[in-house]
Amino acid sequence: AQSVTQPDIHITVSEGASLELRCNYSYGATPYLFWYVQSPGQGLQLLLKYFSGDTLVQGIKGFEAEFKRSQSSFNLRKPSVHWSDAAEYFCAVGDAPGGSYIPTFGRGTSLIVHP
Amino acid sequence: DTGVSQDPRHKITKRGQNVTFRCDPISEHNRLYWYRQTLGQGPEFLTYFQNEAQLEKSRLLSDRFSAERPKGSFSTLEIQRTEQGDSAMYLCASSLGTESGANVLTFGAGSRLTVL
Repeated sequence: AQSVTQPDIHITVSEGASLELRCNYSYGATPYLFWYVQSPGQGLQLLLKYFSGDTLVQGIKGFEAEFKRSQSSFNLRKPSVHWSDAAEYFCAVGDAPGGSYIPTFGRGTSLIVHP
Repeated sequence: DTGVSQDPRHKITKRGQNVTFRCDPISEHNRLYWYRQTLGQGPEFLTYFQNEAQLEKSRLLSDRFSAERPKGSFSTLEIQRTEQGDSAMYLCASSLGTESGANVLTFGAGSRLTVL
C-alpha cells in the first residue's frame, strides 16, 4: 500500500528566508506525486504535481519540488517565503495508470512565517 | 465554473442525530471523492465514485456512514447516529476520469461537523 511521510509537523521560517518541506513516499512503481496547500478555513489547493519527465517541477506561487527516486522523496522548496505562505502543506502520492487513483496524503506540515 | 461546492460549511449536532452533507463537483469531472480530516492530520480517504458507481467503499469508517451519487452529479454523505468521534472536517473533491487527470483532485472548502 502506498504511504506518505512528512517528518516535520511544524516549520518556522522568517519572511524572505528559503524554505524546504520534506516528503517521503512509499510506492511500488513510479508514483504520481503532489503538493497541496490548505489555508485556514479553506479547501486544499494544488501547488504542483509530478507525473513523469523532468524531476524538477514548477508550481504556483513560486514553489518547486524535486523528485528523487533514489531517496523516495519529493521535497517542496521556495527561495523566498512571504508571510502569506503561512499555511498547512500536504504531500500526496497517487497511483500510476491502472491503479485505483485514490491519492494518499501525508499528515501535513504547518508553516509558520515570522516577520 | 464555480469549483467544488459543499454544503453546509458547518454543522453542529447532538450525539445520536443523523447528518447529511452535500457536494457539487466541477461539472465536467466524473470522479468524486470523500475524505475526512481531523485536527492535525491529513485527509483520510473514505469513498469515491466514477459517475454514479461507487467504486470503493470499504474504507468508510463504519456502517453508520453511507454515500450516494444518484445521477452522477452531486453526492451526499450521510452519517447516522453520530458520535463525538465523528467530529471532523469532511472534504469532497472531484477529478477528471482520464488517466492523468484522475489523480488531480480539486477540493471543496469542506463541511465541518461538531458532535456535542
